[in-house]
Amino acid sequence: DADVTQTPRNRITKTGKRIMLECSQTKGHDRMYWYRQDPGLGLQLIYYSFDVKDINKGEISDGYSVSRQAQAKFSLSLESAIPNQTALYFCATSGTPGDTQYFGPGTRLTVL
Amino acid sequence: SQELEQSPQSLIVQEGKNLTINCTSSKTLYGLYWYKQKYGEGLIFLMMLQKGGEEKSHEKITAKLDEKKQQSSLHITASQPSHAGIYLCGADGGGTASKLTFGTGTRLQVTL
Repeated sequence: DADVTQTPRNRITKTGKRIMLECSQTKGHDRMYWYRQDPGLGLQLIYYSFDVKDINKGEISDGYSVSRQAQAKFSLSLESAIPNQTALYFCATSGTPGDTQYFGPGTRLTVL
Repeated sequence: SQELEQSPQSLIVQEGKNLTINCTSSKTLYGLYWYKQKYGEGLIFLMMLQKGGEEKSHEKITAKLDEKKQQSSLHITASQPSHAGIYLCGADGGGTASKLTFGTGTRLQVTL
């Protein structure tokens, strides 16, 4: 079984809709991250969390919110989706500082 | 903020040929990560380099870190179709956050 899972894997939604992307991990890591990937732009950090009570904004947090429900679960929400949020979204986890980040399989989101 | 430049942006090589991908940072490298991504899929961790002059190998892939040049190289020997994909370098900016900045990727195609 995969250590980092994301649901859904694909989602098509309409402008203005609220949508939640979920991430779960079985690696026992405290640190979790959300990235988005756009063609030609690499990955950009949206939010990251060191533990359930510690959530931090990344480079491009506007239009997004997150919830760390438990050590193993980190959700990303788009309160009112817009077309330029169409992208591939990745969740990642890591242990101690400097540890490798392990990525989930990604969620392909299309906002019409 | 730290920026990573990868070169080349894309590469087509014949099966059996060697190739090198470079990743140059605008700032000091505290840790350099190499990932491989199959088109539209998740990131697979390849290697992490932390010390200047460090070199790691896995199967036919070798990565080196040149701390003075703020640069890392990824070398593939005797390329195979299974090596095709997008190679991404990620740099740790230091500190406890372990936030990664990613390059825009190198797209590798291996022809028969």
